[in-house]
Amino acid sequence: GIQVEQSPPDLILQEGANSTLRCNFSDSVNNLQWFHQNPWGQLINLFYIPSGTKQNGRLSATTVATERYSLLYISSSQTTDSGVYFCAVERGYGNKLVFGAGTILRVKS
Amino acid sequence: EPEVTQTPSHQVTQMGQEVILRCVPISNHLYFYWYRQILGQKVEFLVSFYNNEISEKSEIFDDQFSVERPDGSNFTLKIRSTKLEDSAMYFCASRGSLMEGEQYFGPGTRLTVT
Repeated sequence: GIQVEQSPPDLILQEGANSTLRCNFSDSVNNLQWFHQNPWGQLINLFYIPSGTKQNGRLSATTVATERYSLLYISSSQTTDSGVYFCAVERGYGNKLVFGAGTILRVKS
Repeated sequence: EPEVTQTPSHQVTQMGQEVILRCVPISNHLYFYWYRQILGQKVEFLVSFYNNEISEKSEIFDDQFSVERPDGSNFTLKIRSTKLEDSAMYFCASRGSLMEGEQYFGPGTRLTVT
């Protein structure tokens, strides 16, 4: 099956710093989503981005489908950005999402 | 904005007991999914459901598990005889159509088996 690798596995930032999280996948995909898992365990959908670039406030994401990777940018990080960031991909249509292992982000004040 | 809801938010049960986790997908969505996440691990697919039948299931989804859409709004996951290793966060998701790529996730149910 498709493999999803996220890097780095852990990241510690000072409040106000910028960061880039990466997601590599081993095969072509029709769906790619980025999630933030908050301290209560909820999965918050950040982006649905099978290709191209999207921005939402301080967050933006870019997926280069032909090269099989996606990047999540966090600018001017805040302590509330702490948590685990997951990338998930889907091959074909109507199928399951396959999740990466996540990046644990800690933002210090 | 429409959202997927799940109940209960947290369930504690004894080993061997049956549990039913409930989900209300977004109205008019047609495809439904259950995922689980053991503490500290990645989110894993359990089962997908369309047109009142299972579309795909993972190796995890053995005979202890079943899913049902008992009416036009609810989507349930039943675990017949819980084991300690079933302790996890269970997420329900739904999508509107095959071509609508995004899956919308519920807030999850934390299941603790003692």
